[in-house]
Order: sequence, then C-alpha cells, then structure tokens
Amino acid sequence: QKEVEQNSGPLSVPEGAIASLNCTYSDRGSQSFFWYRQYSGKSPELIMFIYSNGDKEDGRFTAQLNKASQYVSLLIRDSQPSDSATYLCAVNFLNQAGTALIFGKGTTLSVSS
Amino acid sequence: EPEVTQTPSHQVTQMGQEVILRCVPISNHLYFYWYRQILGQKVEFLVSFYNNEISEKSEIFDDQFSVERPDGSNFTLKIRSTKLEDSAMYFCASSFWSGGDNEQFFGPGTRLTVL
Repeated sequence: QKEVEQNSGPLSVPEGAIASLNCTYSDRGSQSFFWYRQYSGKSPELIMFIYSNGDKEDGRFTAQLNKASQYVSLLIRDSQPSDSATYLCAVNFLNQAGTALIFGKGTTLSVSS
Repeated sequence: EPEVTQTPSHQVTQMGQEVILRCVPISNHLYFYWYRQILGQKVEFLVSFYNNEISEKSEIFDDQFSVERPDGSNFTLKIRSTKLEDSAMYFCASSFWSGGDNEQFFGPGTRLTVL
C-alpha cells in the first residue's frame, strides 16, 4: 500500500517567519512529488513540484527532496496571513502519463499577523 | 489563464439515483482525472483517462462508477446508484504529459450530497 504521511498540525507561525512543512512517503521508487495548497472549501492549487534530490526554489517557496530518506519538505519564507491554508503533499509513484497522485492528509498552516 | 471548470457546483440527490458530474479540462491537456474528498479526509484518486480509455483506476472506482468523454471538450463521471457514502467533493483534474511532467490542475469541484 502506497502511503503519504504528513503531520496534520496545526502549524502556527508569526507573519514574516519561515514555515516548514514535511512529508514522508512509503515507496522508495517514487518518482515525482507535488505540493498543493487548499483553502477551506476550495480545490487543491498546485504550488510546485520536484523530481530530483536537492532543493528547488520558486519565489518564497522552496521544495526539498531526499529520496534516500523518502522525505520531501516545503519551506515558505516570509510567511503571510494569506498563506494560511492546508498544504497537501502528493506523490506520483509511477511518474507515467495519466497515473494517480497519492495525497497525504495535509498540514494546516496558520500565519498570525 | 486556462482552467478546469466543473458543473454543477453543488448536486443534491436521493440515495439510489444516478448523477452525472461534468468537467471541461484545460483545452490542450490530454489526460483527465477524477478525485474525491470526503469532508475532513484526504483527496483520493478515482480514475484517470486518456485517448478514450481508462488508464488507471482505484479500488474506489467500482462498477457503479463510469467515465466518458462524450465530445471534444467535456469529461463526465457517472455514479449509477448513489449511496450515502458517496457524499463528497468531486474534483476533476487534467494534465499535459511532456515526457516527465505530470502536473495535474484541479477544477473547483462539485459538492455531491446524497440524502
């Protein structure tokens, strides 16, 4: 059974701080990893994806992947109250066209002003 | 910016009735998906679709579910005989495979309530 695990939180950070969100996955052969943001009652919105070990930066967001440890994280720099949402980690275990994303339960982030 | 659209936004039905949920994927995308999210739970994969065939399906996608691309733009999910436990948000997604990218973009969802 392919599993994606996230700490449900809530993770509370003050405005301007760095928020660190973590995710582990069960299958060492997993190929691609995605971070989505989901506001309450809304659909998942893609933030970024990562395939290779190391860091990938996009604006205030940095994804980090360590395949040996089966661990992927998302750092949000200069956190804003508008970043308050649930962050979903998703794994494409096969990385083949048209295959499923397996989601974690998500981590709720609260940024206080 | 292109986006996935879904109709209706909310569907209320009686147990045992058939429902059809509709989606218009992003126009140049080739792969289409349905996911569901029961209230307070994680997003779960149902099915993926390419070239008028199912590519992959989960254990949830049993015989009461079917998908179809009836024309060049719409993608539908049919639930033949709804059960109370089918109450959930149903999300359609689409992607454009380019030899390594499987970024899936989600529509706004249809909230299905089965009474």
